[in-house]
Amino acid sequence: KAGVTQTPRYLIKTRGQQVTLSCSPISGHRSVSWYQQTPGQGLQFLFEYFSETQRNKGNFPGRFSGRQFSNSRSEMNVSTLELGDSALYLCASSRVLSGGARDTQYFGPGTRLTVL
Amino acid sequence: KQEVTQIPAALSVPEGENLVLNCSFTDSAIYNLQWFRQDPGKGLTSLLLIQSSQREQTSGRLNASLDKSSGRSTLYIAASQPGDSATYLCAVAEGYSTLTFGKGTMLLVSP
Repeated sequence: KAGVTQTPRYLIKTRGQQVTLSCSPISGHRSVSWYQQTPGQGLQFLFEYFSETQRNKGNFPGRFSGRQFSNSRSEMNVSTLELGDSALYLCASSRVLSGGARDTQYFGPGTRLTVL
Repeated sequence: KQEVTQIPAALSVPEGENLVLNCSFTDSAIYNLQWFRQDPGKGLTSLLLIQSSQREQTSGRLNASLDKSSGRSTLYIAASQPGDSATYLCAVAEGYSTLTFGKGTMLLVSP
């Protein structure tokens, strides 16, 4: 079974630009979550999508947005990039259990974003 | 606001030693707790998931325990090997999908 895939793996952008990252979940997983990892703040939850709807959102500005498609693939977008947005962006997918609980989250390899 | 703390931040041991990594969290109202490992520059690999109703989980040389009332979890690694060298992260699930992570313990196992 293929794992979670993320594209691109590396990105270099300049301040003020916008960027779109893509995540393909494990087959059968309908929940997709996004996380930002930086040396200073560690791993922080961005948002989660299930059935094409944002279910939860972390404490990030509105410049960070996402969406999910009918095939469960997800994209996240960051507009007006700042230097502090340089980070490893990780996507995770999980099954949705009866009652709505999420099963184990499986992470992709991440997209390394560098903002110059 | 949930806070997850991992002690120690770094650990260096010789091959063959048994070791314990610690994780504490401030709010005991969790759905589950997961332990992950992360190799440099890579994504996270799930090691063990303990549901809030469980006390421990085992996988091979790994054993994780959970004491929800005291807000603590430990990850026990038996007979450590150089291939175990990585950063180990503890994460608690509060909502259905929101994971709050600790900063991790960087483990180095020397031959």
